[in-house]
Amino acid sequence: GAVVSQHPSWVICKSGTSVKIECRSLDFQATTMFWYRQFPKQSLMLMATSNEGSKATYEQGVEKDKFLINHASLTLSTLTVTSAHPEDSSFYICSVKRVAGETGELFFGEGSRLTVL
Amino acid sequence: AQTVTQSQPEMSVQEAETVTLSCTYDTSESDYYLFWYKQPPSRQMILVIRQEAYKQQNATENRFSVNFQKAAKSFSLKISDSQLGDAAMYFCAYGLNTGTASKLTFGTGTRLQVTL
Repeated sequence: GAVVSQHPSWVICKSGTSVKIECRSLDFQATTMFWYRQFPKQSLMLMATSNEGSKATYEQGVEKDKFLINHASLTLSTLTVTSAHPEDSSFYICSVKRVAGETGELFFGEGSRLTVL
Repeated sequence: AQTVTQSQPEMSVQEAETVTLSCTYDTSESDYYLFWYKQPPSRQMILVIRQEAYKQQNATENRFSVNFQKAAKSFSLKISDSQLGDAAMYFCAYGLNTGTASKLTFGTGTRLQVTL
């Protein structure tokens, strides 16, 4: 079964509105989650590292006020795209690493496709 | 900064044949992980195989095996007895072993087609 769940899978919104995407770790606790963005036919680009109980760490070039990340519990991280514009349309994927066990493996959510009209 | 390079944007293989996907990376670290992930049309990323840099033995998972050349910083994936279900985008990824967390750097991907 799924280890990581993302919701919603698909979302369409009007320009200027905000959209929240949830990432849930179903099988284990996760102090750290990662948010990736994938443009069509391109690779995954890390946007930010979500840390439980503290501020997220953003990669260079990613606007923290644009992409708000909240990691309020050990099983849930949310990404809010604020004042969305058409250029924010993309596929957003979260990933989770186990707290215990150092295999290095990340488990990925199913992804959320955002379309901004 | 770490970089991962996949020089083959697309590859094609006949069913039941063997194909090798290339990946090279650049790092100054000695302790890290390397991964091959598969992304089918459903877009769900699926781990195919993992290699710890400190292990000299190449990882194998059923029909999937890697050729890990640490000195050359090369990490190729061999798929034997290819099946139609193997058709997907394949991403090579690098991750530092930092203990509690590791973020991955992905290559640009190789699209694998499997023909009858």
